[in-house]
Amino acid sequence: GAVVSQHPSWVICKSGTSVKIECRSLDFQATTMFWYRQFPKQSLMLMATSNEGSKATYEQGVEKDKFLINHASLTLSTLTVTSAHPEDSSFYICSAGQGGTEAFFGQGTRLTVV
Amino acid sequence: LAKTTQPISMDSYEGQEVNITCSHNNIATNDYITWYQQFPSQGPRFIIQGYKTKVTNEVASLFIPADRKSSTLSLPRVSLSDTAVYYCLVTGDSGYSTLTFGKGTMLLVSP
Repeated sequence: GAVVSQHPSWVICKSGTSVKIECRSLDFQATTMFWYRQFPKQSLMLMATSNEGSKATYEQGVEKDKFLINHASLTLSTLTVTSAHPEDSSFYICSAGQGGTEAFFGQGTRLTVV
Repeated sequence: LAKTTQPISMDSYEGQEVNITCSHNNIATNDYITWYQQFPSQGPRFIIQGYKTKVTNEVASLFIPADRKSSTLSLPRVSLSDTAVYYCLVTGDSGYSTLTFGKGTMLLVSP
């Protein structure tokens, strides 16, 4: 199957700083990318959907000014958590699709804000 | 959006066949059924996808009745490494607007 790479796998940052997470589709062009957040023992919660070259569509309750998403190319999307706080600590996962009904997921990024 | 319902958890033993059923009563005509597996601290991994009847690959089978209001993921001869959370999703063919995860089923395989 297609490969989606997420970087970094884990990151620790100080409260108030910003963190950028990258999501790359390695062997296909992703027309659509999704960003999820997952808290311990819970399911994945969709945060936003982005199409290449256009603004992301955020789910209700997700602050677009706090979680900045850039999908500048067909192989790269970034999620920037701005002014991170301890409550933003979570497991962030991206997925990418290439136009069919199947999406491929990255390995996830564990964010810890101290 | 088509909502899915699965058992919260299931227990099994090594070598047994495991069947996990998912209900999706509001599935639309153009929707597919997709199953993912997730291990702790990893992204979900695609297992199988189907539209109707039966689909089989090297790791699982997917049974979908004619009314498509439910589906059953069948894992033959599970091993300890199959312990994971399994998610059933309904995905539209025109995009990914329905790529919404339910609670999933925690499968625990014991020796």
